[in-house]
Amino acid sequence: QKEVEQNSGPLSVPEGAIASLNCTYSDRGSQSFFWYRQYSGKSPELIMSIYSNGDKEDGRFTAQLNKASQYVSLLIRDSQPSDSATYLCAVIGGSARQLTFGSGTQLTVLP
Amino acid sequence: EPEVTQTPSHQVTQMGQEVILRCVPISNHLYFYWYRQILGQKVEFLVSFYNNEISEKSEIFDDQFSVERPDGSNFTLKIRSTKLEDSAMYFCASSDGWRNQPQHFGDGTRLSIL
Repeated sequence: QKEVEQNSGPLSVPEGAIASLNCTYSDRGSQSFFWYRQYSGKSPELIMSIYSNGDKEDGRFTAQLNKASQYVSLLIRDSQPSDSATYLCAVIGGSARQLTFGSGTQLTVLP
Repeated sequence: EPEVTQTPSHQVTQMGQEVILRCVPISNHLYFYWYRQILGQKVEFLVSFYNNEISEKSEIFDDQFSVERPDGSNFTLKIRSTKLEDSAMYFCASSDGWRNQPQHFGDGTRLSIL
């Protein structure tokens, strides 16, 4: 059973701080890693994708991947109240074509 | 920016009835997916579709479920005889590749079975 694990939170950070979200996955053959943002009652919205070890930056967002540790993280710099949402880690496994999602981390950015 | 569109946004149906959920994937995408999310739970994969046939399906996708691409733009999910436990948000997604291409999600259809 391929698993993707996330701390469910809730995680609260003050406005302007760095939010750090973590995810581990069980399938060592996983190749593609994604972070989605989901507001309550809405659909997942793609934030970042990462495919190789290291860091990938896009604006205030940085995704980090460590395949040896089977760990992927998302950093949100200068957090804003509008960043308050559930952040979903999703992985495509080695032989699979579908996304396996974690249960999500609920982030609240306090004004 | 191109979007995946889903209709209806909310469907209320009596148990045992058939429902069809509709999706228009992004126009140049070739890979299509259905996922569902029961309230308060994880997003779960149902089925993937490519080249007019099912590529993979999960254990959830039993004989009550079917998918179809009836024309060049629509992608549908049919549930033949709905059960109470089918109540969930159903999301359609599309991508232009299998692995190193992100999947883009529609706004979803909230299915309520009474």
